[in-house]
Order: sequence, then C-alpha cells, then structure tokens
Amino acid sequence: GQSLEQPSEVTAVEGAIVQINCTYQTSGFYGLSWYQQHDGGAPTFLSYNALDGLEETGRFSSFLSRSDSYGYLLLQELQMKDSASYFCAVSPWNQGGKLIFGQGTELSVKP
Amino acid sequence: GAVVSQHPSWVICKSGTSVKIECRSLDFQATTMFWYRQFPKQSLMLMATSNEGSKATYEQGVEKDKFLINHASLTLSTLTVTSAHPEDSSFYICSARNRKDQPQHFGDGTRLSIL
Repeated sequence: GQSLEQPSEVTAVEGAIVQINCTYQTSGFYGLSWYQQHDGGAPTFLSYNALDGLEETGRFSSFLSRSDSYGYLLLQELQMKDSASYFCAVSPWNQGGKLIFGQGTELSVKP
Repeated sequence: GAVVSQHPSWVICKSGTSVKIECRSLDFQATTMFWYRQFPKQSLMLMATSNEGSKATYEQGVEKDKFLINHASLTLSTLTVTSAHPEDSSFYICSARNRKDQPQHFGDGTRLSIL
C-alpha cells in the first residue's frame, strides 16, 4: 500500500531549528507537499518538492530524495506561532490527483 | 499566489435546511478541486474529487445525493449539503490545484453547525 510516516510529536524552543522527517512507501508520485494546520484551522500550504533537492521559502525549507524515499521539512528561527501540526503529503500517479497524507507531526515550541 | 477562497466561514442553521459552500481559486485556474471533511482531532477525510465540467467522483461511503458538488468553471466549485441534519455538522474544507504536478492549495474551511 501507500503510506507516509512522520514523527507524532516534536518539541523545540524558540529560536531553534527543527527538522520533521517524512518517509514514504509509495510508487510514483508527482511531488511531496508540506502543510501546516493550527487547531481549528484549515491546512496551509508551506512547500513543495517536485524534484529531488532543497526548496527554500523564508524560514521554511523542504527536501526530497526519491532514491531514499525520504523528505523533510526544516523550520528555522522557531517562533511560538509555529506550534501546529505539520503534514507531508504526496499525490500518486495512479490516484487521480488525490493526496495521501502522513499522520501529522505535532510541533510544540516552548519559550 | 495560489489563493483559494472559501465562503462562508461559518454556518449555523436548522435541521432540514440545505447549505451551499463556495470554493474559488482567485489567481489560478483550478482544473481539479477537492472537498474534505474534518472532525475535531481527526485527519482530513476526502469526500470527493471534482474536475471542471464533469461529474464529481465521490469516495466510498459519501452520499452523492446528500453532498451535491458542482464545478462549472475553472475558478468555482460548490458543495451543497442537502437536507442537513446534526450529524452533518463538521468542518468542510476545499482545495484546488491546476496541473497534476502542482500542489493542492486549501481554502480556510467552513464550519457547519446544524441545530
């Protein structure tokens, strides 16, 4: 089957750097997406890797290695407002555009 | 770029009412839109996939006569919850994308409460 694995919880302090890993077991897919979701809110798009390598968007960066079936989201200069759930997701070639989500990582940023 | 607008944000209505939720892509053409439902502390559950100009594809267990989806243009899809009942109360979220090799972008969601 197709699945994505993420750590369930990560805790870090303000100003720190945190990396959230995503390993997957899936056949071909278009790209790896990352989303942030605060309690009570909708997911917000953060980053997308169509190709292997690093994509940088401000404090957030994302990485993909298809050969290693692995990706990660890197958050720098952590702020309290970054406390949220983070999901990785892929859109497999054979799923009509549907997203397959990881179970989400709950990030807690402490002062 | 890639902004998806969803309206309304909140709906409270009586049982038996039909409720329409709109999802618009503001700065790109959304060839495909998706409708999700989410209960508190649970994952997003895909309800249906909607391609512009064609009938929506519903996920198993989702009643197509209950949740009517229309995607008449490249920038607008609507979800109508017909004859809503309290068990339909939930957080409904749409997403949209242009090409298959591009990410989905989500609307802000609609919180539906049926009394």
